Amino acid sequence: SQQGEEDPQALSIQEGENATMNCSYKTSINNLQWYRQNSGRGLVHLILIRSNEREKHSGRLRVTLDTSKKSSSLLITASRAADTASYFCATDAAGSNYKLTFGKGTLLTVNP
Amino acid sequence: DTGVSQDPRHKITKRGQNVTFRCDPISEHNRLYWYRQTLGQGPEFLTYFQNEAQLEKSRLLSDRFSAERPKGSFSTLEIQRTEQGDSAMYLCASSLLGLAPYFGPGTRLTVL
Repeated sequence: SQQGEEDPQALSIQEGENATMNCSYKTSINNLQWYRQNSGRGLVHLILIRSNEREKHSGRLRVTLDTSKKSSSLLITASRAADTASYFCATDAAGSNYKLTFGKGTLLTVNP
Repeated sequence: DTGVSQDPRHKITKRGQNVTFRCDPISEHNRLYWYRQTLGQGPEFLTYFQNEAQLEKSRLLSDRFSAERPKGSFSTLEIQRTEQGDSAMYLCASSLLGLAPYFGPGTRLTVL
């Protein structure tokens, strides 16, 4: 079963705008990760945030984690056409040994 | 290329045939994971190895599926008597103990 649920399922924006995707999960976690997947390709690891962290930055990416609400958000600033992809959150539940549980993903389209 | 590699990238087979996929992890990664991803869904965990030991199998992994990692390096995933429902992307990932996994490009299986 899939624990994470991304919201929205699809997002279409113009180049230069910011994109925000949300993820909710159900159980206690060790960490939460965000991945990107271009159509028909493998997963690219973007960022990992541990359960004791609240915010993390990497380049144009900003991730927040609220363990009390069991939710996370991924913000991509100044989006580019090359950011067009599906974005997945994945949780590593406590004691799962990095057996990741993925959501269904958000399909982001950045229009030039 | 020092990333995770998978072979073949695409496989088309007829229902009832057996197929085998190979995954070569990043060198010295002791953890290796297999996931399956169907269209429009996030990846789902199938099984994982620590060195040559298979430590956990999902109930998604029916008796027709078998995975091995004989020398603790590369791994194979075999599906016997394929069914149309087996059509999916099969993703392999590897990691060092306690660190986030890196994914390969996947093998796309189509069962006719």
